[in-house]
Order: sequence, then structure tokens, then C-alpha cells
Amino acid sequence: EAGVTQSPTHLIKTRGQQVTLRCSPISGHTSVYWYQQALGLGLQFLLWYDEGEERNRGNFPPRFSGRQFPNYSSELNVNALELEDSALYLCASSFGTYNEQFFGPGTRLTVL
Amino acid sequence: KQEVTQIPAALSVPEGENLVLNCSFTDSAIYNLQWFRQDPGKGLTSLLLIQSSQREQTSGRLNASLDKSSGRSTLYIAASQPGDSATYLCAVRNYGQNFVFGPGTRLSVLP
Repeated sequence: EAGVTQSPTHLIKTRGQQVTLRCSPISGHTSVYWYQQALGLGLQFLLWYDEGEERNRGNFPPRFSGRQFPNYSSELNVNALELEDSALYLCASSFGTYNEQFFGPGTRLTVL
Repeated sequence: KQEVTQIPAALSVPEGENLVLNCSFTDSAIYNLQWFRQDPGKGLTSLLLIQSSQREQTSGRLNASLDKSSGRSTLYIAASQPGDSATYLCAVRNYGQNFVFGPGTRLSVLP
């Protein structure tokens, strides 16, 4: 069974640009979570999607947004990139809302 | 607001030692708690999930306990190996909320 997959693996952007990160959950999982892990900082919760709906949102500005598709895959969009957006972005999925979370390998975003 | 802390922040032990990692949380009305390990620059690997009704879970050399009333969980690693070197994170979830992660314990097991 395939795990959570994320694309791309690495990404380099410049300030002001926009980026889209993608996540495919484990087959059968309906909940998808996005986290940001900046260098030297802990995991910060970004977004939680379940059954196509946004269930919760972390303390991030509106330029961070996303969506979940009918096949439960998800996108994270970041507009007007800033230097401090440089981080490892992790996606996780779970079967239902309160079950074990499984993480993907992450997307490393560098903003120059 | 749920807050999660982990002690110690870093730990270095010789191979073969048994060790305990600690996780504390401020809101004891949790739904479940999950332990992860993270290798440098990588994603998180799930180790154990403990539901609020459980007292402990075991997987191989790992044993996690949960004491909701005191807001604590411990991860016990038996007979540590160099391959256990990683950062260990605990995450706590309250009903209707997302997981809140602790800052992690960085473990080094020396051969």
C-alpha cells in the first residue's frame, strides 16, 4: 500500500511569487492535514480538510490557502511568498478524523 | 489552548541503554496522543497512537504510557540502538481540534 505522497520534493521561489504544493493521501483516507516546519522551529498546524471541507485552520495569514479534491488529494497554495515562508511543508492523512496520522516526506520550499 | 512540552530537549546515551522520553500537556481532556520520530530533513514516522481510554501501547522495543489526569505521557525505548537516533515528537489531540505538537526530544545513541 502506498504511503502519503507529496510533490514536488524541492522548490525554489523568489519573494512575491506564488506556489502550489500537492499531497495524495493513503488510499481510503479522507482527512488531510498540512503543517509547516521552519528551520529550528516545531511543527505548526496550517490546515485540516475532511471530506472536501476545511475543518480547521492554524494561525497563518490568508495568503496560505488550500483545498481538497473529490479524490481526497489536496493542494496548499501560498501567495505573495515571503522569506520566512522557507520551510519544510508536511502533509499527513488519516482514516477518518481522529485516527492515526501518517505523514508524507514533505516539500522543501526555499524563498530567495 | 493546548500546550505541549517535551523533556529533555536532547539526550545522548550509549548503545544498549533503556531510556524514557517525557511529554506533558496542559489540557487533560484529550482525545488521543501520538508519538512520532523524525529523521533530519524527513517526514514523520508514526510510532504509537494511544486513545484517551488507554493507559499504554507497545510496539516492539517501544512502550508508550498515558496518564491523562496528570497530563503526561512517556515513551520508553528498550535496548537502544544507533538506528534509534532521531528526534521524537509527541502530538496531542483534543476533540474538534487539530494535533498540537511538542518541540521534540533529539536522541543520539552512540555505538
